[in-house]
Amino acid sequence: IAGITQAPTSQILAAGRRMTLRCTQDMRHNAMYWYRQDLGLGLRLIHYSNTAGTTGKGEVPDGYSVSRANTDDFPLTLASAVPSQTSVYFCASSDSYAFSGANVLTFGAGSRLTVL
Amino acid sequence: QKEVEQNSGPLSVPEGAIASLNCTYSDRGSQSFFWYRQYSGKSPELIMFIYSNGDKEDGRFTAQLNKASQYVSLLIRDSQPSDSATYLCAVEGAGANSKLTFGKGITLSVRP
Repeated sequence: IAGITQAPTSQILAAGRRMTLRCTQDMRHNAMYWYRQDLGLGLRLIHYSNTAGTTGKGEVPDGYSVSRANTDDFPLTLASAVPSQTSVYFCASSDSYAFSGANVLTFGAGSRLTVL
Repeated sequence: QKEVEQNSGPLSVPEGAIASLNCTYSDRGSQSFFWYRQYSGKSPELIMFIYSNGDKEDGRFTAQLNKASQYVSLLIRDSQPSDSATYLCAVEGAGANSKLTFGKGITLSVRP
């Protein structure tokens, strides 16, 4: 089934540990995104990649890094996790980074991360 | 700072009623407007998008856009209990590299 796969589904992590959230899409979409969703704050963009080999910072990039070595994979790394990074993380993709009506976001199922 | 505001909720309507969800945005140059639905514990899924002033209908859903007043709304006719979810408004700003900005969402509850 075409779509976006995120892993892990859920993780509890000790503060200070390094963590990588994985995201793989099989739709050959050019653009990929990482959002975090917190109660009362909505979806906020962490990092994005318009195409393989490029990345950019979103609204809340501090404490996170990404890489885009190929079209399909877009991992998100927390170098040293802190409790404020407790959140639900969604990976998304779109065919183009230009959001005309035809280019909409497809979301993965999400990764719930708890940092203690 | 581009802002997308959704009217405070939660919103509760009886089954069969019309649910009206509103969204305002600060960036006057915004180009495209999206409504996503998110069931509890699930990921957002697109309901519809609109980029021209006026109404756009898709089944029981109608999106209304007024760029002069900087608001976009979603009407759900004949509301069903299965429509109970959080609805997210998203706006694409101006510029070639603009990204979507999401509102905080409004939770709709449809009472049987």
